[in-house]
Amino acid sequence: IAGITQAPTSQILAAGRRMTLRCTQDMRHNAMYWYRQDLGLGLRLIHYSNTAGTTGKGEVPDGYSVSRANTDDFPLTLASAVPSQTSVYFCASSDSDRAGEAFFGQGTRLTVV
Amino acid sequence: GQQVMQIPQYQHVQEGEDFTTYCNSSTTLSNIQWYKQRPGGHPVFLIQLVKSGEVKKQKRLTFQFGEAKKNSSLHITATQTTDVGTYFCAGPKLYGNKLVFGAGTILRVKS
Repeated sequence: IAGITQAPTSQILAAGRRMTLRCTQDMRHNAMYWYRQDLGLGLRLIHYSNTAGTTGKGEVPDGYSVSRANTDDFPLTLASAVPSQTSVYFCASSDSDRAGEAFFGQGTRLTVV
Repeated sequence: GQQVMQIPQYQHVQEGEDFTTYCNSSTTLSNIQWYKQRPGGHPVFLIQLVKSGEVKKQKRLTFQFGEAKKNSSLHITATQTTDVGTYFCAGPKLYGNKLVFGAGTILRVKS
């Protein structure tokens, strides 16, 4: 089924540990995004990529890194997790250089303890 | 940086009442998009408005894009329990590609 796949669905992580959230899309979209969703704060952009090989910082990039080695994959890494990174993380993609309709993955619920 | 503000944060309506959420951007947008997220789900695209002053309708939902392309609204006529969820607006700034979301409006409908 075409779309975006995120893994894992949920994770409990000890503070200080490294974690990579995976995101894969099979729609050949140019642009990909990572958001975190926290109650009352909506969806905040962490990092984005306009095309394979390029990435950019969003609103809340600190503590996170991304890579875009190919069109399909856009992993998000937490180098050393902290409790404030407890959140629901959504990956999204869109098929336009000017940010058209975005398709979202099912989300990863991450708890840092 | 670009900010997208959305009000109200939360609204609880009686089934059959109307509902409106408003979105305002600090910068001119190349387009405005609206998404709906059901409880426990992920955001799902509803519509995109591109032209200044544009109005689009989807059944009971009416979407407007302001003349200055900095604000937008979503109006639901005669809400139903199936309308429950969080409604987000989102937009890239003019000549940009970052898709920035508002904080969302949570809609609850009493039957």
